[in-house]
Amino acid sequence: SQKIEQNSEALNIQEGKTATLTCNYTNYSPAYLQWYRQDPGRGPVFLLLIRENEKEKRKERLKVTFDTTLKQSLFHITASQPADSATYLCALVVSGTYKYIFGTGTRLKVLA
Amino acid sequence: DVKVTQSSRYLVKRTGEKVFLECVQDMDHENMFWYRQDPGLGLRLIYFSYDVKMKEKGDIPEGYSVSREKKERFSLILESASTNQTSMYLCASSLLSGGYEQYFGPGTRLTVT
Repeated sequence: SQKIEQNSEALNIQEGKTATLTCNYTNYSPAYLQWYRQDPGRGPVFLLLIRENEKEKRKERLKVTFDTTLKQSLFHITASQPADSATYLCALVVSGTYKYIFGTGTRLKVLA
Repeated sequence: DVKVTQSSRYLVKRTGEKVFLECVQDMDHENMFWYRQDPGLGLRLIYFSYDVKMKEKGDIPEGYSVSREKKERFSLILESASTNQTSMYLCASSLLSGGYEQYFGPGTRLTVT
């Protein structure tokens, strides 16, 4: 069956460290992979998109990698800050469809 | 900035009531989506619309219908609300298909008693 998995356990890290979140998928052929941030009681906010033929994308303190062989994306926040505390969702856009398939999200807490 | 607004932040309805959730986007986006979000299940697509009066079923359309009479407005209708439809409902829009980012509204937390 098709699955997209994110670590459901919360990730606690110390301020200033790099946070690394994982998104694994099976039985999909994603054309794109996106990452969103969601704060409690609010809708998700788009952060980054990476295409299937790209290995890495950066935006300020954010970095996303995409390995279609491992069927995995890693999302890194460098020099993390307490304001980075939120839930982070990955979403696949399946080739040839309009569908966005979301993971359940990983809650990140950055400790001061 | 794209703005997606939803008619209510919180809503409490009784079992069997007909419920309307409204969503409006102000950036002339072609695509609009309705999701529900439940703990442990993530975001699940209910319906999608790629043009006025055009709609496609998502993964969990049962018990729901939608209406898109104008490009900027996408309504979700619960024909006869049930307690298992208690959830957070999120509307989103995107410029086009093909990996464009989605812009989400603030969500409507619906409780059906």
